[in-house]
Amino acid sequence: QSVLTQPPSASGTPGQRVTISCSGTSSNIGSNPVNWYQHLPGTAPKLLIFNNYQRPSGVPDRFSGSKSGTSASLAISGLQSEDEADYYCAAWDDSLSGPVFGGGTKLTVL
Amino acid sequence: QLQLQESGPGLVKPSETLSLTCTVSGGSISITSNQYYWDWIRQPPGKGLEWIGGVYYSGSAYYNPSLKSRVTISVDTPKNQFSLELSSVTAADTAVYFCARRLGELATFENWGQGTLVTVSS
Repeated sequence: QSVLTQPPSASGTPGQRVTISCSGTSSNIGSNPVNWYQHLPGTAPKLLIFNNYQRPSGVPDRFSGSKSGTSASLAISGLQSEDEADYYCAAWDDSLSGPVFGGGTKLTVL
Repeated sequence: QLQLQESGPGLVKPSETLSLTCTVSGGSISITSNQYYWDWIRQPPGKGLEWIGGVYYSGSAYYNPSLKSRVTISVDTPKNQFSLELSSVTAADTAVYFCARRLGELATFENWGQGTLVTVSS
């Protein structure tokens, strides 16, 4: 059971906009920034969003992040087949004194 | 471009110690310009990611309380490597193990290795 809660799956057609939610508590998302990762099995996970909404260099602006209270969301607009991957949210947890992750959301591009 | 690569046995017997090494290339593990930590994260089959712990270049280590009694993470700055030891393993420790570089007391993992599958089985 992961500390942060994500839907196990999401889907969309090319060009659509999809959102993935991430729910936590006051000790993690409620008091610390959220990060999002994209992971293709067999490869290194990739930092997609840090500090709730900021994108590392090279990440397309189709990817955006937001946070409100103890929840966060990742939005992907203009969905492309190459976006098919697993997406994880993560945040520092003050009770654990360490990072915690969501269970991951498998995105399927139909 | 910073790269991380995990290495170690892919099969460990129950009750034995799992040992993995992460080799860092393209940058120094002793970088002090930012507060970087060198972490281990694992993903059991079909499950999500779990933080195991991390180490600062000075050698100070930090562990997930749920694994703390069995985990040791150390750093070898001359070799630009850091290592994980997990003792008394069981089948529940079967997972893909990733090494990663984390920025500060955040969950911002800027660089990851590809991961290595470790199976615990007799």
